[in-house]
Amino acid sequence: EPEVTQTPSHQVTQMGQEVILRCVPISNHLYFYWYRQILGQKVEFLVSFYNNEISEKSEIFDDQFSVERPDGSNFTLKIRSTKLEDSAMYFCASSVSVAGTGELFFGEGSRLTVL
Amino acid sequence: GQQVMQIPQYQHVQEGEDFTTYCNSSTTLSNIQWYKQRPGGHPVFLIQLVKSGEVKKQKRLTFQFGEAKKNSSLHITATQTTDVGTYFCAGPGAGSYQLTFGKGTKLSVIP
Repeated sequence: EPEVTQTPSHQVTQMGQEVILRCVPISNHLYFYWYRQILGQKVEFLVSFYNNEISEKSEIFDDQFSVERPDGSNFTLKIRSTKLEDSAMYFCASSVSVAGTGELFFGEGSRLTVL
Repeated sequence: GQQVMQIPQYQHVQEGEDFTTYCNSSTTLSNIQWYKQRPGGHPVFLIQLVKSGEVKKQKRLTFQFGEAKKNSSLHITATQTTDVGTYFCAGPGAGSYQLTFGKGTKLSVIP
C-alpha cells in the first residue's frame, strides 16, 4: 500500500541551528501538507502546497519556516533558526484532492528536539 | 477563525463498555473527518461525513454528522484494547485548504 515516508524519524538540534525535514508523498497525490503536534496536544496545520507553491499557511508558519519541492518526489520543510518551542512531532501529509474534500495520508512523523 | 472543540479530553473505559466522543464546530462544516492516532503513531483516516444527519458505520464504530453540520460524534460499541488511541475530528475551514483538528479524545481501555 502506498505510504508517505518521512526522514529523519528523530532529529536533535541545538537552538539556532537549521533543520530540514524530508518527506516523500504518495506518488499520484497533488496536495502536500506539513502539520505539527507538540507532545500530547492537537495536530496543528502549518502549510499546504499545491502546483509548486504554497497555497495556504498558518500563523505558526512564520519567516523561519520554508517549504520546497526540489524534485519530483521530495517535499521538504526547513526551519531556518530553531527555537526551543519548535520541539514537536512534524507530520507530512498528502492527498489526491484538496484538504477537506478527501482523506489526508500522514507519514509517521519526524520528531524534532531542540536543546 | 474556525474552532473545533472535542469532548471529553480523556476517557477510561473497561473493556466491553461503550465509548463516545463529541465534536463541535463554531462554523457550519462542508464535511467532517475523523482520524485515529495510536500511541506513538500518526493520524490515520477513519471516515468522512458530508451530508446533514449522515450516519455511517464501520463494524463497532458509528459516526454521525449533525443536522446543522456543526457537530459530530463517534461511538464505539463494546470497546476492545485495540481501540486504544486518540480520536480526532477535523473540519475544513471556509474556502480553505487546511483541516482544523480538534484536541482529540484519548481513549484508554482497561482489560
